[in-house]
Amino acid sequence: RKEVEQDPGPFNVPEGATVAFNCTYSNSASQSFFWYRQDCRKEPKLLMSVYSSGNEDGRFTAQLNRASQYISLLIRDSKLSDSATYLCVLQKANSGYALNFGKGTSLLVTP
Amino acid sequence: NAGVTQTPKFQVLKTGQSMTLQCAQDMNHEYMSWYRQDPGMGLRLIHYSVGAGITDQGEVPNGYNVSRSTTEDFPLRLLSAAPSQTSVYFCASCREGGPQYFGPGTRLLVL
Repeated sequence: RKEVEQDPGPFNVPEGATVAFNCTYSNSASQSFFWYRQDCRKEPKLLMSVYSSGNEDGRFTAQLNRASQYISLLIRDSKLSDSATYLCVLQKANSGYALNFGKGTSLLVTP
Repeated sequence: NAGVTQTPKFQVLKTGQSMTLQCAQDMNHEYMSWYRQDPGMGLRLIHYSVGAGITDQGEVPNGYNVSRSTTEDFPLRLLSAAPSQTSVYFCASCREGGPQYFGPGTRLLVL
């Protein structure tokens, strides 16, 4: 089983829809969690960190459930510009600087 | 498909030594890229390629060379390693409009 698993999608949603991505991880020692957004030919960019208490940034809400070992990203009122790949990223404790990436979930928002 | 593979997984170098980080993908992706990942900096693009025979510089290209003689392979060369190049290196590939696939990473320590 891979350490970080995501549904690759693609998720095709109309503008204005709400869409949710989940990510599961297998290593309970994982310490830090992130969602990255990545467009083809562009470097992945940090979308948001994920905290146990849940956190929100505009239309984006991230949540972490350590007991169930999953992370979620909710996007409300989807925009065309939200079309991208969303990467679930974990950092294990005592792993130095290494990040574990999920393979990404592809989102396509259509008019 | 093996996806994106990178070798070696770990490497220790002395200052001034040279080495090549290997990257290969078997998905016939035209786009390949190299990133380095450092704490507090996120992922930074080193070099990228839009197809065989075509490469270009990213955000932090100094000290690295690349070539793309085939669609499948995209090696990254360190000509004279420096401690500042201690990092985790990720190779990635994608097809236009598709998700980005990352390799497992190479952890490099330069003493």
